[in-house]
Amino acid sequence: KNEVEQSPQNLTAQEGEFITINCSYSVGISALHWLQQHPGGGIVSLFMLSSGKKKHGRLIATINIQEKHSSLHITASHPRDSAVYICAVVQGAQKLVFGQGTRLTINP
Amino acid sequence: DAGVIQSPRHEVTEMGQEVTLRCKPISGHNSLFWYRQTMMRGLELLIYFNNNVPIDDSGMPEDRFSAKMPNASFSTLKIQPSEPRDSAVYFCASKAGRRSGELFFGEGSRLTVL
Repeated sequence: KNEVEQSPQNLTAQEGEFITINCSYSVGISALHWLQQHPGGGIVSLFMLSSGKKKHGRLIATINIQEKHSSLHITASHPRDSAVYICAVVQGAQKLVFGQGTRLTINP
Repeated sequence: DAGVIQSPRHEVTEMGQEVTLRCKPISGHNSLFWYRQTMMRGLELLIYFNNNVPIDDSGMPEDRFSAKMPNASFSTLKIQPSEPRDSAVYFCASKAGRRSGELFFGEGSRLTVL
């Protein structure tokens, strides 16, 4: 079993829908990252969080340390949100362990 | 700042050849990471440096892989000799501070070993 599990692996939705991507982990962590990888391959860090909730524009990330679970939400989804979203947990001081990614496709 | 700069962006080489990937982190960042991404295994940490010192190289696959950071503005990842199973996208990333701080990725170097 992977240390970091994401669900779903693939998600297709219509423009405007509310999107939720989940991440569960089985190890102790100091923080958790949500990353976005576009079809061109570049990776962008969306959030780093260790507790509670963070919001940036239409994106919201939450984490529950006790339940070892995090969610990434996208409100009013748009085709440009189509990408692979990757959850990564920080073990120790700096080591990142990655989930397998969720491929999101938003149709117009 | 120009961000994390990697070169080359693409490299195609033949099995047995030496491959050197280069990374220039963001100025002022004191942590640098090398990651590898493949279809089968996703993203994996190969090695990371703090203040130019290698801290954790447990992800380096085998002795054919080596990484150096001779100064705060430059790092290399070398594969010698290369093998087809090394084909992957290699990402470099940097961040400021040990625990906090956003992680910034380079565009990646896509390596194909024939």
